[in-house]
Amino acid sequence: EIVLTQSPAILSLSPGERATLSCRASQSVDTYVVWYQQKPGQAPRLLIYDASKRATGIPARFFGGGSGTDFTLTISSLEPEDFAVYYCQQRINWPRTFGQGTKVEIK
Amino acid sequence: EVQLVESGGGLVQPGGSLRLSCAASGFTFSNYEMNWVRQAPGKGLEWVSYISNSGSAIHYADSVKGRFTISRDNAKSSLFLQMSSLRAEDTAVYYCARARRYSAGDFDSWGQGTLVTVSS
Repeated sequence: EIVLTQSPAILSLSPGERATLSCRASQSVDTYVVWYQQKPGQAPRLLIYDASKRATGIPARFFGGGSGTDFTLTISSLEPEDFAVYYCQQRINWPRTFGQGTKVEIK
Repeated sequence: EVQLVESGGGLVQPGGSLRLSCAASGFTFSNYEMNWVRQAPGKGLEWVSYISNSGSAIHYADSVKGRFTISRDNAKSSLFLQMSSLRAEDTAVYYCARARRYSAGDFDSWGQGTLVTVSS
């Protein structure tokens, strides 16, 4: 099973600041990494697939990068609605696995 | 508009069974692979099971293998999860999630979830 480790666990930032979230895989997943956003009481929402492709309707301030074992999700300038929990996930192997999540909170 | 609506959750005793359903609308259900993903209270996401669009390919997480069975009815645009031998650690919100077409693993649409509580 591929283990995904996200860091940091909590990121405290102010609106307008840049957020950089990390996801590290226990073995290479090529570029088959996905990022989701989840707000309290809501289902997750697909943000990024194949490491760097924005899903339909996702604002340009979200961008993903990386390949192999190291991936990042960057939010260039935080909007109030961006404060949420973010999960990475791999889709190269079964079982599909998620990282434990990074909470982006208002400082 | 894509809609996924789960039902069937509730309180069940350890060792019991439950059948979850997911009604899909707004897209051609038979063209898409589907999944179940769960989230224990206050915890992260855990993928549970996958079924191909025809139902010919199925995968399970080790934590549920042998106890849960995924199935689908394309004629009724419905996805199911039969859960048996339930344990306290199966307590979670269960989401039905559509895989982005041809990806098998990006979940581009999710239902609102149904809560399963396993407790005596």
